[in-house]
Amino acid sequence: EVQLLESGGGLVQPGGSLRLSCAASGFTFTSYAMTWVRQAPGKGLEWVSVISISGGNTYYADSVKGRFTVSRDNSKNTLFLQMNSLRAEDTAVYYCAKDLLEGGPYNYFDPWGQGTLVTVSS
Amino acid sequence: EIVLTQSPATLSLSPGERATLSCRASQSLNVYLAWYQQKPGQAPRLLMYDASNRATGIPARFSGSGSGTDFTLTISSLEPEDFGVYYCQQRKKWPLTFGGGTKVDSK
Repeated sequence: EVQLLESGGGLVQPGGSLRLSCAASGFTFTSYAMTWVRQAPGKGLEWVSVISISGGNTYYADSVKGRFTVSRDNSKNTLFLQMNSLRAEDTAVYYCAKDLLEGGPYNYFDPWGQGTLVTVSS
Repeated sequence: EIVLTQSPATLSLSPGERATLSCRASQSLNVYLAWYQQKPGQAPRLLMYDASNRATGIPARFSGSGSGTDFTLTISSLEPEDFGVYYCQQRKKWPLTFGGGTKVDSK
């Protein structure tokens, strides 16, 4: 069974940093692109970032470009999101998700982790 | 960026009724559109991809259609577990974008 377990969320002050992790199991991590999607409280879904299988290609939403960095450790089956210069509008549940198909990125997401809440507030 | 507009915002139906959800794109997607279901307190779940392909384990009462700029998700006969919020998502162009969602609730 595919499992994705996010961690690292919490309360951080504006301008601060946080590093999210997503531990993957139940599939060949090195064969799939991975994605971060966020959801502000009571709002819809917003795509954040995608990383290719090797980590050599990364893509970002304009809202986080230059502040967030996605990476992966294929030896530990773990995806990361380094978030710097955090703003109040970054407050959201952050989900990691596996790409639907091997190779890619194919850019459909299945399945998703349960999410980790990031709150940016003073 | 490609804007996805979902309608209606809310759909109030009873179990057994047919649900028809719409997603309209600001430019052509070919068929590069997915649908997700999200229940309260849960992560989204992939239902359909490439407009009309059901994801693994998705019941046959869910179907998707459309191409270009107009897409439809149909639930042929609502089950109690189908109530929730439905999102469309495009992969035609960066940045990837989601629609604002349609809430299907109980009448």
